[in-house]
Amino acid sequence: AQSVTQPDIHITVSEGASLELRCNYSYGATPYLFWYVQSPGQGLQLLLKYFSGDTLVQGIKGFEAEFKRSQSSFNLRKPSVHWSDAAEYFCAVANRDDKIIFGKGTRLHILP
Amino acid sequence: GAVVSQHPSWVICKSGTSVKIECRSLDFQATTMFWYRQFPKQSLMLMATSNEGSKATYEQGVEKDKFLINHASLTLSTLTVTSAHPEDSSFYICSAREGKGPISIQYFGAGTRLSVL
Repeated sequence: AQSVTQPDIHITVSEGASLELRCNYSYGATPYLFWYVQSPGQGLQLLLKYFSGDTLVQGIKGFEAEFKRSQSSFNLRKPSVHWSDAAEYFCAVANRDDKIIFGKGTRLHILP
Repeated sequence: GAVVSQHPSWVICKSGTSVKIECRSLDFQATTMFWYRQFPKQSLMLMATSNEGSKATYEQGVEKDKFLINHASLTLSTLTVTSAHPEDSSFYICSAREGKGPISIQYFGAGTRLSVL
């Protein structure tokens, strides 16, 4: 069965520091991978997606993610975080039934 | 980008009453809409998939008589929580997909917080 693992429940970084959020997936075929961000009490906003091609994907708000098939990973990165980046981040994979399976999320805290 | 409007954003109701939540795609036609439930500090769990003009497909463990879904048009899907009880209190989020397949992105509403007293 398909699954997504986000090993870090909470991550705290200082404003201006770099960020990496980890995501591992389990899927038999070529995965369709996503990163979403959710601000408190809000819906989800798509940051970026990977379907095929270049394994380094650029997204909105300065985020990028790299697909590594050998490691079954799709980690999210940002070179310099801003206080407004504090939110919940969800990694997700789409399965053959076109359903999105979400990880449990990583809450990002930003120190001033 | 595409916008999905969800209404209401917050609703409080008495136990035993029914609550209807609307999900609208504002600037595109959504052949498929999805309804999710999110418990505090947890991930989104897919409840059902709704295709315009046909019956919704419910995920295992979701009571279809409890959570009534109607997708009467290409821009509107509704979720009705019937005879709500405190355990139904949760954050409900809808999403809408334009086109077919995972290549088509899901656009999410802002969610509805349901509190059942």
